[in-house]
Amino acid sequence: NAGVMQNPRHLVRRRGQEARLRCSPMKGHSHVYWYRQLPEEGLKFMVYLQKENIIDESGMPKERFSAEFPKEGPSILRIQQVVRGDSAAYFCASSASFDNEQFFGPGTRLTVL
Amino acid sequence: GNSVTQMEGPVTLSEEAFLTINCTYTATGYPSLFWYVQYPGEGLQLLLKATKADDKGSNKGFEATYRKETTSFHLEKGSVQVSDSAVYFCALRQIQGAQKLVFGQGTRLTINP
Repeated sequence: NAGVMQNPRHLVRRRGQEARLRCSPMKGHSHVYWYRQLPEEGLKFMVYLQKENIIDESGMPKERFSAEFPKEGPSILRIQQVVRGDSAAYFCASSASFDNEQFFGPGTRLTVL
Repeated sequence: GNSVTQMEGPVTLSEEAFLTINCTYTATGYPSLFWYVQYPGEGLQLLLKATKADDKGSNKGFEATYRKETTSFHLEKGSVQVSDSAVYFCALRQIQGAQKLVFGQGTRLTINP
């Protein structure tokens, strides 16, 4: 059973470009969480989604960031007009239900030049 | 709001030394408590957990006890190995409502042979 998959593993963007990060949850999991890890810091919650629904986006910056989890396909975290401060590792986790263990992917390391 | 405070690192020990990484939390109600481990370049892996007061989580020689009276969940291991070198994160999750994990800032552990 494959684990949580994220791609790309490394992403380099110039200021002003768009970044798209993908997360495929574990088989059978319909709950997805996105976290951001800034250098030398812990992970900070961004958004919690179920299929086609955003359940909690209290950790998402108000501008430039959006997330989706369509009926078919991976969850996407989209960052428009990236700035240097967006450079971080973005981790996705999935779970089978809202109170089950969250399994983490390997992360996407975004570097903004 | 909910928060987790961890012992600041980095921590450097010799092989076979005793390890303690302190973790205290602030939360309403009775959260579940977790320790995650992150090896270089990888995502987080659940190390152990406890869901109620006085529970002891254990795995791979590590253990931690949920202490409600001191709001603590300190991680211990009696004899560390070089392979234990990693970053360790303490985290909590509320039972009710939001299912997001709240993480401490992480403690980098290096074990020298």
